[in-house]
Amino acid sequence: ETGVTQTPRHLVMGMTNKKSLKCEQHLGHNAMYWYKQSAKKPLELMFVYNFKEQTENNSVPSRFSPECPNSSHLFLHLHTLQPEDSALYLCASSPRTSFYEQFFGPGTRLTVL
Amino acid sequence: GENVEQHPSTLSVQEGDSAVIKCTYSDSASNYFPWYKQELGKGPQLIIDIRSNVGEKKDQRIAVTLNKTAKHFSLHITETQPEDSAVYFCAASIAGANNLFFGTGTRLTVIP
Repeated sequence: ETGVTQTPRHLVMGMTNKKSLKCEQHLGHNAMYWYKQSAKKPLELMFVYNFKEQTENNSVPSRFSPECPNSSHLFLHLHTLQPEDSALYLCASSPRTSFYEQFFGPGTRLTVL
Repeated sequence: GENVEQHPSTLSVQEGDSAVIKCTYSDSASNYFPWYKQELGKGPQLIIDIRSNVGEKKDQRIAVTLNKTAKHFSLHITETQPEDSAVYFCAASIAGANNLFFGTGTRLTVIP
């Protein structure tokens, strides 16, 4: 295991639901990331947090709302999603941003009906 | 921004043969190039990386080469085994940046 856990592993939600994805890292890292992985596309960086502060928002729609209460936990709050938001959402962490290996969790497979 | 292209998208090799995956990048300021392996149901895991001050790096059966002039880098796996079957991603990054720019992945199948 990489030391990064994600829950739930699978999520099915309707377009009007509100749900949250959770990520936890046990590595003592200070940077955490959310990525979206869709079929036949490169991994897309969504958000970056460094020492609990958001340092990157990669033009992500407001229906995705991140929260980082401390350096070990990262959430992605979801509301009024669209079917095209169905994807694998990956969380990663690294000792700090830039130039360091990123450790990925197993991902949450999200299906929006 | 950086654009990373990866080829081939699928690759099948016989067990024991070598596999080569190639990537190109567009931004000459990129100086960190990791390779990730993603197995079914798991997140990507780093298998090897190279920085722009070296041209080649080896770790047992895995090697990566970097040609800064041509802006391309490659992953070489020798003596392939069935457990090497996975999706492999290359990536590029600029020192000091938050982003890793990923390629679209190569699905490697090693046939026993």
